[in-house]
Amino acid sequence: EVQLVESGGGLIQPGGSLRLSCAASGFTISNNYMSWVRQAPGRGLEWVSVIYSDGSTYYADSVKGRSTISRDNSKNTLYLHMNTLRAADTAVYYCARSTWPGSDLDYWGQGTLVTVS
Amino acid sequence: QSVLTQPPSVSGAPGQRVTISCTGSSSNIGSDYDVHWYQQLPGTAPKLLIYVNSNRPSGVPDRFSGSKSGTSASLAITGLQAEDEADYYCQSYDSSLSGVVFGGGTKLTVL
Repeated sequence: EVQLVESGGGLIQPGGSLRLSCAASGFTISNNYMSWVRQAPGRGLEWVSVIYSDGSTYYADSVKGRSTISRDNSKNTLYLHMNTLRAADTAVYYCARSTWPGSDLDYWGQGTLVTVS
Repeated sequence: QSVLTQPPSVSGAPGQRVTISCTGSSSNIGSDYDVHWYQQLPGTAPKLLIYVNSNRPSGVPDRFSGSKSGTSASLAITGLQAEDEADYYCQSYDSSLSGVVFGGGTKLTVL
């Protein structure tokens, strides 16, 4: 069974940093395209970042230069490092799987809440 | 402002049919990138509803259908039920952004 479990959220002061984790099971993350998607309170979905199976990484303009997406293949875990956090980064952060850049996000985690205040 | 444009809200009575539009541009839907739809119930993660424009994952009722034409796509829900009340999002890929793009979401109210 495919499962994604995020962790690492919490209350962070403005200007601070965090590392979110997404532990995957039931499939191999390095063979897939793994994304982070966030949702601010009462707002819509916003794509944040993706890491391709070949290791290429891409970021939304809103987090570019402040964020790093990475993975640990031995732990089958996806990460998102974010620094210089601001109030606008407050959101539930989801990790999600896709099989190629333009495909659907077929599995999502339950999300982890990041509050910058 | 989202790259893909959806109406903020739609509503319908039980048993009725509603449609939700998703309008993009030449760098996403118009470049023949597929459109996918998600349903998000309150307090839960999004759930894949329609993939590759018109395909339903296993377990999704055939009351839900999708279509795509030009730079737009649509989600249709027939035989509305109370449990369909949720937020719905369209998603595609944008070549100029090198990333996934979402619509702003549409809140469906079942009257």
